[in-house]
Amino acid sequence: GAVVSQHPSRVICKSGTSVKIECRSLDFQATTMFWYRQFPKQSLMLMATSNEGSKATYEQGVEKDKFLINHASLTLSTLTVTSAHPEDSSFYICSAVHPSNYGYTFGSGTRLTVV
Amino acid sequence: GQQLNQSPQSMFIQEGEDVSMNCTSSSIFNTWLWYKQEPGEGPVLLIALYKAGELTSNGRLTAQFGITRKDSFLNISASIPSDVGIYFCAGRNTGNQFYFGTGTSLTVIP
Repeated sequence: GAVVSQHPSRVICKSGTSVKIECRSLDFQATTMFWYRQFPKQSLMLMATSNEGSKATYEQGVEKDKFLINHASLTLSTLTVTSAHPEDSSFYICSAVHPSNYGYTFGSGTRLTVV
Repeated sequence: GQQLNQSPQSMFIQEGEDVSMNCTSSSIFNTWLWYKQEPGEGPVLLIALYKAGELTSNGRLTAQFGITRKDSFLNISASIPSDVGIYFCAGRNTGNQFYFGTGTSLTVIP
């Protein structure tokens, strides 16, 4: 089955530093990956669509200079939260599209805490 | 982005009871997916539906792709404590855009 690995699962960082989150498709190639943000007891909010070999597409209201996305290979997309602030603390989840059935498989999420 | 209307928002039920939740959209979808999310984890796919009218089961879970292609239903029979979590519907429209439901929080009381 399709497996998506997300790392790290938890990270605590100081305000002003940058944090990189990785999303890997382990047993399939994903030309498209998605990054979501989720606040407690709420649904997932799409932040951006990551396209292999091209620039990411950001949703309205998401700062592309703050949330840098790189999709350099067919199995890896990274989200870098730059100059993190406490309000960036959240649960970040990635998903990848499986090419055979267009099913969306999610990573296990990253809990970011900025102190 | 757009979100699907999912109801109910939350449910508190006794163990052994059946559960029903639904998801509606104002536009036609080609694919309906149902996910379960447990605290601190990413959503896990439960059932995928690809055709209008399709009825698919996964153990005690049954989901249906509405005949109008604008809705979907998920039923859980004989609920157990480990069914606790947030259930999300998701859909892919004719433009290959993917949307999430607002979620249904399920609490099962032993």
